[in-house]
Amino acid sequence: GQNIDQPTEMTATEGAIVQINCTYQTSGFNGLFWYQQHAGEAPTFLSYNVLDGLEEKGRFSSFLSRSKGYSYLLLKELQMKDSASYLCAVRDRRGSTLGRLYFGRGTQLTVWP
Amino acid sequence: EAGVVQSPRYKIIEKKQPVAFWCNPISGHNTLYWYLQNLGQGPELLIRYENEEAVDDSQLPKDRFSAERLKGVDSTLKIQPAELGDSAVYLCASSRDGGGSEQFFGPGTRLTVL
Repeated sequence: GQNIDQPTEMTATEGAIVQINCTYQTSGFNGLFWYQQHAGEAPTFLSYNVLDGLEEKGRFSSFLSRSKGYSYLLLKELQMKDSASYLCAVRDRRGSTLGRLYFGRGTQLTVWP
Repeated sequence: EAGVVQSPRYKIIEKKQPVAFWCNPISGHNTLYWYLQNLGQGPELLIRYENEEAVDDSQLPKDRFSAERLKGVDSTLKIQPAELGDSAVYLCASSRDGGGSEQFFGPGTRLTVL
């Protein structure tokens, strides 16, 4: 199966930088996703990593180390609207569960003015 | 491009009653997913369809849950009878294919069982 761990809560101030970590143990790995979910809304896609290294997309960057089972999401120049839950998800590559996403419980980020 | 549409957005029922949720995926998306999300948790897959075929339903509690995707487009998820523990948000998502495409989520149906 999959075991995905991320902090439950984080806080930061507007304009700051925050790093949300995610560690995983998997029987079959085929990529890692980060989603943002505002309260009462649908998760929305932020980033995808399948190879080691850093992927940058505007204020958001995501890093992956497959050998360490580790990823982080980096948010720069924080804005109040970034207050949300950030979900780490690992994609399976095994047989009948190929393509299945396993989500962590999410990290609730609160951005203070 | 219209997103994933779900209805109803909210549903309150008494235990032992039946309930159904409806999902219309993004046009052209062959793969459709139903997830369950409890408060403070990440989504958990219930069932995945490739066109009309359920290809991953090992986590669907088949004693009370059922799903269908007739004609490979819209899908319905049903619970009969509902139990108190079924209170959660039921999310539908779709993707172009099941192998590696990004999943797009609908707004979900928040179910409360009294």
